[in-house]
Amino acid sequence: DAGITQSPRHKVTETGTPVTLRCHQTENHRYMYWYRQDPGHGLRLIHYSYGVKDTDKGEVSDGYSVSRSKTEDFLLTLESATSSQTSVYFCAISEPGGGSGSEAFFGQGTRLTVV
Amino acid sequence: LAKTTQPISMDSYEGQEVNITCSHNNIATNDYITWYQQFPSQGPRFIIQGYKTKVTNEVASLFIPADRKSSTLSLPRVSLSDTAVYYCLVGGYGGSQGNLIFGKGTKLSVKP
Repeated sequence: DAGITQSPRHKVTETGTPVTLRCHQTENHRYMYWYRQDPGHGLRLIHYSYGVKDTDKGEVSDGYSVSRSKTEDFLLTLESATSSQTSVYFCAISEPGGGSGSEAFFGQGTRLTVV
Repeated sequence: LAKTTQPISMDSYEGQEVNITCSHNNIATNDYITWYQQFPSQGPRFIIQGYKTKVTNEVASLFIPADRKSSTLSLPRVSLSDTAVYYCLVGGYGGSQGNLIFGKGTKLSVKP
């Protein structure tokens, strides 16, 4: 399995508090992604990174910020958590395949509950 | 990246062949087609990828017609353990991997 670790795996937090989720990889892949998954919505891209300090918005970026100061770490921050951000969050990594496509590898997910 | 359309759900029985078709009418010349499988409480995992014609691996086959506006994932002789959500994605060539958009996928239910 690809070396991806998400932390924490489970978290319960109160509305209005800041929350940071961490994704750590040992594969030296250039691209890193944060997704959220909710019933009926499938996987939705929040933010992604294409290098250190290089990030961009995905489909549902409002209320989230990210940072990538090192190749191996991609942090997702909820500045002021709301109940609508209760979800399962997945991190993924990928490396461009040069002349071909390539696959993304996913972490085990973080279950976040905002009460 | 090109948007994809798949059936929301499909039912099958053990031992049958299952074909899941994905439409991607505005696929770009450099886009690849990739399928992922997701079990409950797990992250998606790669199944197969192709650019044109047919690709086969130990798990599945991928059929892509000449116009590349659709693709079909074929799972031979499914078992109960193939019950999962299957996602079709297009894109991913070289550096253009940023917007990996998954959509809602197809929920496959395999019955005894």
